[in-house]
Amino acid sequence: ETGVTQTPRHLVMGMTNKKSLKCEQHLGHNAMYWYKQSAKKPLELMFVYNFKEQTENNSVPSRFSPECPNSSHLFLHLHTLQPEDSALYLCASSQDFGGRGAGFGQGTRLTVV
Amino acid sequence: AQKVTQAQTEISVVEKEDVTLDCVYETRDTTYYLFWYKQPPSGELVFLIRRNSFDEQNEISGRYSWNFQKSTSSFNFTITASQVVDSAVYFCALASNNAGNMLTFGGGTRLMVKP
Repeated sequence: ETGVTQTPRHLVMGMTNKKSLKCEQHLGHNAMYWYKQSAKKPLELMFVYNFKEQTENNSVPSRFSPECPNSSHLFLHLHTLQPEDSALYLCASSQDFGGRGAGFGQGTRLTVV
Repeated sequence: AQKVTQAQTEISVVEKEDVTLDCVYETRDTTYYLFWYKQPPSGELVFLIRRNSFDEQNEISGRYSWNFQKSTSSFNFTITASQVVDSAVYFCALASNNAGNMLTFGGGTRLMVKP
């Protein structure tokens, strides 16, 4: 139990669908992150929120839209995705990366068909 | 720019063997932090260790040990007497103040421990 919960764990969606990934952290952290993990690629940082404000957008296509309504919740809204977007999407939170190290959720395995 | 290289993509050992996972990093910053994470088949990343750049003391935690050498920019991870439950993907990561403390991950090493 890492204190970071992601739902759903698995998601299959068509290219015309709209879906959302949810992340919730119970650690009192102020920063939250979305990472993408594709097969045979290093973990890629997608978005960073610090105190609910987006501080980083790592050249992510607009078909991925993050939302951070408060410090404990982070969403990733998905629409018109492509098959190459199929990956494991990991949410993380941290007080400070120089401190205890980020806590990660179990990820959402996304398959786009 | 920061970079983390894990040259070993897959390692296979037999239970009870010792295994070392290599990690080489690049950064221009003098203050930085190095991490190891374990990703079991269930998917989540489990924090194992954090080391700051001013502390080159090696660390041992049970069967796990870490060898940090600034001279070679390496932060290697050794598992002694490996067990099947150690099978996972292991990620080395780097964060530095000048990069906003964002984690840069290596490509990961898949460790398979066979009974």
